[in-house]
Amino acid sequence: AQSVTQPDIHITVSEGASLELRCNYSYGATPYLFWYVQSPGQGLQLLLKYFSGDTLVQGIKGFEAEFKRSQSSFNLRKPSVHWSDAAEYFCAVGSYNNNDMRFGAGTRLTVKP
Amino acid sequence: GAVVSQHPSWVICKSGTSVKIECRSLDFQATTMFWYRQFPKQSLMLMATSNEGSKATYEQGVEKDKFLINHASLTLSTLTVTSAHPEDSSFYICSASAAGEQYFGPGTRLTVT
Repeated sequence: AQSVTQPDIHITVSEGASLELRCNYSYGATPYLFWYVQSPGQGLQLLLKYFSGDTLVQGIKGFEAEFKRSQSSFNLRKPSVHWSDAAEYFCAVGSYNNNDMRFGAGTRLTVKP
Repeated sequence: GAVVSQHPSWVICKSGTSVKIECRSLDFQATTMFWYRQFPKQSLMLMATSNEGSKATYEQGVEKDKFLINHASLTLSTLTVTSAHPEDSSFYICSASAAGEQYFGPGTRLTVT
């Protein structure tokens, strides 16, 4: 069965610093991987996704993620964090038709001024 | 494009009553919609998959008779929480599938008193 692990429950970074959020997955077939962001009391917004091809994926808001099959990882990165990036971030894995998406526990990002 | 709405955004009901939550795809048709439940500071847990014109498929541990799902049209799915109890208080999020991607609604905060 597929599963997603986000090892870091809470991360605090200073504004302007770089960010990396970790995500490890377990999936029997070709994984379809996603990163979502959720602001308090809001739904989810897709940051980026990986289906195939280039393993470095660019997303919105300056985020990128790198798929590493050998490490079963799909870490999210941003070179310079803005205060508005403070939110909850979820990594997810799904199937081809996206009908079986599983989410990680989430990482809460706090940005210090 | 690909906007999903939920109504209401928040609702308070008394224990023992039923409450209906609507999920609409505003600018596309969705043959498949999903309902998730999210507890405070936790991840999204898939409750059920709803296919237009057929019965919903519930995840293990989700009570079918308590969480009634109807997907009567290609743009509307409803979740009815029957005989609600305080432990049903949660954040309910729906999503609609189109072109292999899920689009999430803003969520509904249910509080049962």
